[in-house]
Amino acid sequence: EPEVTQTPSHQVTQMGQEVILRCVPISNHLYFYWYRQILGQKVEFLVSFYNNEISEKSEIFDDQFSVERPDGSNFTLKIRSTKLEDSAMYFCASRGTVAKNIQYFGAGTRLSVL
Amino acid sequence: GQQLNQSPQSMFIQEGEDVSMNCTSSSIFNTWLWYKQEPGEGPVLLIALYKAGELTSNGRLTAQFGITRKDSFLNISASIPSDVGIYFCAGLNRAGGTSYGKLTFGQGTILTVHP
Repeated sequence: EPEVTQTPSHQVTQMGQEVILRCVPISNHLYFYWYRQILGQKVEFLVSFYNNEISEKSEIFDDQFSVERPDGSNFTLKIRSTKLEDSAMYFCASRGTVAKNIQYFGAGTRLSVL
Repeated sequence: GQQLNQSPQSMFIQEGEDVSMNCTSSSIFNTWLWYKQEPGEGPVLLIALYKAGELTSNGRLTAQFGITRKDSFLNISASIPSDVGIYFCAGLNRAGGTSYGKLTFGQGTILTVHP
């Protein structure tokens, strides 16, 4: 069964460093998402991406965040200068056009900012 | 923004018991989804609901889309140890056609099943 793949599974970084989280969505999907889950809390929407541009973003997704689909298969989330409060699980999701509104999630990247 | 209140926060049950959890919202959603999350994994879709009043089953799981479109419940019958995990409701609202599928999640229900 096709799945969303995220790498790395765990990323440890120093405060102020840049990190790039990588995702390979399901191959024929057109809508891509990033969500964040702080430990013990609910999953929160960060950004949606369609047709090579951001279609919607939350207040969390400030100027420190950016997304890119550099090569038609990968979908990346970059945090320019990480803060302690960026420590969380980051989930990528993708959606096709056939299965109505169903987003398929990757296993996540655990980001630890020290 | 839209908020989902999910209850209960946690449940400790014996194997074989039935489970019920629900989500309520102050505003309307057009789609309700129920996901399960296990440790170290991403949310996995269990059931999707698209119409008010819709009742859908997936094995031992049954979920309903409330007729007011502001609530949904999930029932698990005859629970087994592998039902352990965190269950999340999520709502989607495409009102006005401007949303590209932003999901709003509930806080989750932690389910523990004792053998």
